[in-house]
Amino acid sequence: KQEVTQIPAALSVPEGENLVLNCSFTDSAIYNLQWFRQDPGKGLTSLLLIQSSQREQTSGRLNASLDKSSGRSTLYIAASQPGDSATYLCAVLVNTGKLIFGQGTTLQVKP
Amino acid sequence: DAGVIQSPRHEVTEMGQEVTLRCKPISGHDYLFWYRQTMMRGLELLIYFNNNVPIDDSGMPEDRFSAKMPNASFSTLKIQPSEPRDSAVYFCASSWKGPTIETQYFGPGTRLLVL
Repeated sequence: KQEVTQIPAALSVPEGENLVLNCSFTDSAIYNLQWFRQDPGKGLTSLLLIQSSQREQTSGRLNASLDKSSGRSTLYIAASQPGDSATYLCAVLVNTGKLIFGQGTTLQVKP
Repeated sequence: DAGVIQSPRHEVTEMGQEVTLRCKPISGHDYLFWYRQTMMRGLELLIYFNNNVPIDDSGMPEDRFSAKMPNASFSTLKIQPSEPRDSAVYFCASSWKGPTIETQYFGPGTRLLVL
């Protein structure tokens, strides 16, 4: 059974810091891995999608990596800003068409 | 496109009442997903449809839950009778599966409170 774990559960950093969020999954048989952002009381917004054949994806200040063999992904946020404060969710797409989500990391960036 | 539309945004009901949640997917998307999010269990897939046909309903917690997709632009999730433990945020999402598997687009969610 696929399980997705995110560490840390919560993170608080001062503005301007570079930071890394971690995601691990137990079964390497995935189609893709996605990072989502969720603001309080809102739905999820897709940030980055890495296909199983890819190693990383970049969008602006965000960079996500994927190592299928070790079952790990990282989301790197450069020069963090208060507007980055949100919960970040990692999810893997498995062959049944399901997205399996981690519990998320709640990030607070202090001005 | 307006994105995935869900209604109502908030629902407060009493135990035993029937609850119906509604979703309009993004036009052209052929997959529709229903999720439930709670503090204890996180985000869980309940059921998903492809071309209006239910593909996997193994996440539906029990017979009190049912979902339908009568056409490509509308789906419902019904809870009858509702119980306090059903209190959660219910999300609908849609996607399009082309040459590569694309991301899912989430609606704003329905926040359900069963008293």
